[in-house]
Amino acid sequence: KNQVEQSPQSLIILEGKNCTLQCNYTVSPFSNLRWYKQDTGRGPVSLTIMTFSENTKSNGRYTATLDADTKQSSLHITASQLSDSASYICVVSPYSGGGADGLTFGKGTHLIIQP
Amino acid sequence: DTGVSQDPRHKITKRGQNVTFRCDPISEHNRLYWYRQTLGQGPEFLTYFQNEAQLEKSRLLSDRFSAERPKGSFSTLEIQRTEQGDSAMYLCASSLHGESSTDTQYFGPGTRLTVL
Repeated sequence: KNQVEQSPQSLIILEGKNCTLQCNYTVSPFSNLRWYKQDTGRGPVSLTIMTFSENTKSNGRYTATLDADTKQSSLHITASQLSDSASYICVVSPYSGGGADGLTFGKGTHLIIQP
Repeated sequence: DTGVSQDPRHKITKRGQNVTFRCDPISEHNRLYWYRQTLGQGPEFLTYFQNEAQLEKSRLLSDRFSAERPKGSFSTLEIQRTEQGDSAMYLCASSLHGESSTDTQYFGPGTRLTVL
């Protein structure tokens, strides 16, 4: 069964500190992995997308890494800000042509930034 | 605002009633998706359209659920005879599918349904 496991389930850090969120998946075949940020009560917003051949992708203070051999990804947030408080969801797609069948969402990591 | 919009944002209904949600995608996007999300969980895929054609339906989409996208633009999701277990956030997303696109899905703000 295709699964995406994220850790930790929740995380509290002080403003200005760095943090790393983890995503392990068993989805096969593999096409791409995306990280989304979801503010409370809002829809998810795409942060990064990585295909099989990409090891790292940055978007401002967010840097995602991918190890397709070990089926692991991480999202590193640098110099955290209060606005980073949100849930971060890892999503793995088995197909390059889009669609949604087989698209597997993790449960997310709930990140809280404290002043 | 040219993003994905959903209406209503909140809906409270009594068990057994029918409800209908609307989603307006980003105008040039040809794909439209519906998801359901419960508290503390990631979104669960329900169904998606390419233009007006409904291409995939999840097994989560029982016969009480029906979705339409009659003109390939906005979409509606109807739930008949609502049950308390239907209480969730219903998310809509759209994407542009083409040879060179990555099919990044842009999500709307969601409709929160509470069934009493």
